[in-house]
Amino acid sequence: DQQVKQNSPSLSVQEGRISILNCDYTNSMFDYFLWYKKYPAEGPTFLISISSIKDKNEDGRFTVFLNKSAKHLSLHIVPSQPGDSAVYFCAASGGNQGGKLIFGQGTELSVKP
Amino acid sequence: DAMVIQNPRYQVTQFGKPVTLSCSQTLNHNVMYWYQQKSSQAPKLLFHYYDKDFNNEADTPDNFQSRRPNTSFCFLDIRSPGLGDAAMYLCATSRDLPRLAGDGETQYFGPGTRLLVL
Repeated sequence: DQQVKQNSPSLSVQEGRISILNCDYTNSMFDYFLWYKKYPAEGPTFLISISSIKDKNEDGRFTVFLNKSAKHLSLHIVPSQPGDSAVYFCAASGGNQGGKLIFGQGTELSVKP
Repeated sequence: DAMVIQNPRYQVTQFGKPVTLSCSQTLNHNVMYWYQQKSSQAPKLLFHYYDKDFNNEADTPDNFQSRRPNTSFCFLDIRSPGLGDAAMYLCATSRDLPRLAGDGETQYFGPGTRLLVL
C-alpha cells in the first residue's frame, strides 16, 4: 500500500526551462509535505516544504504547489540548471504517523545544457 | 560543518555476522531516525528515538535494534545480517516531533552507510 507515489521515474529538461515534478498521495490525514534532493552516494537534502494550510510555498527557484482536493503536489524548478540533476523525493507526514515521513520512490531529473 | 554524520560510509559484513552502524549529530535535535533504503525504492523508517524514548515501526524485523546513549549519538545494530539486509541506511534528525496539525518538522539526513552482506 503505497501512500505516496511519484509516477515518473525520470524527467529530462533543457537548461533554462521549467522542471515540474509530481507527487500524489492517498492518505487525507497527511498535513505536511516535503521535497528532498538526493545526489548519488549522498543522503537526501531538504529542499522545500509546505503545510496543508497553504497551497503554495516559494523559495528562490523552487516552488511547491499543493492541491488537497486532488491529493497532489508538485515541485516547480525555474529556471532549471545542470546542477539540479538529481533524484527528487517527495515525502509526507501527519495524521497518526507521528514524525514519520512516508516517501515516494523518487524522480530522477536530468537537466541538459 | 557536517550536521549529521554517519560512519562508516561503506560497510561490508558477512552473512550472520553482527554489525553496528553509527550516527552522530551536532544539531542538538531531540529526535533521531533510522531509515532503510533499498535500490530504486523509497526510504523506509525502521525506528526513531524521541529523546530516550524508543519507537519501533510495526514491520521492523527483530534483527534490527538501536541504541541512543546520549543526545548526539545513535547506533543501528543488525544482529544477524542476511543478504536481504544489504541496503543504504540513512540516519536523520529533527528538532522535535510535530505537535499540531500542519506543523511539520523537517528531517535532516546524514550521507548514509551502504551495507554490503557477503
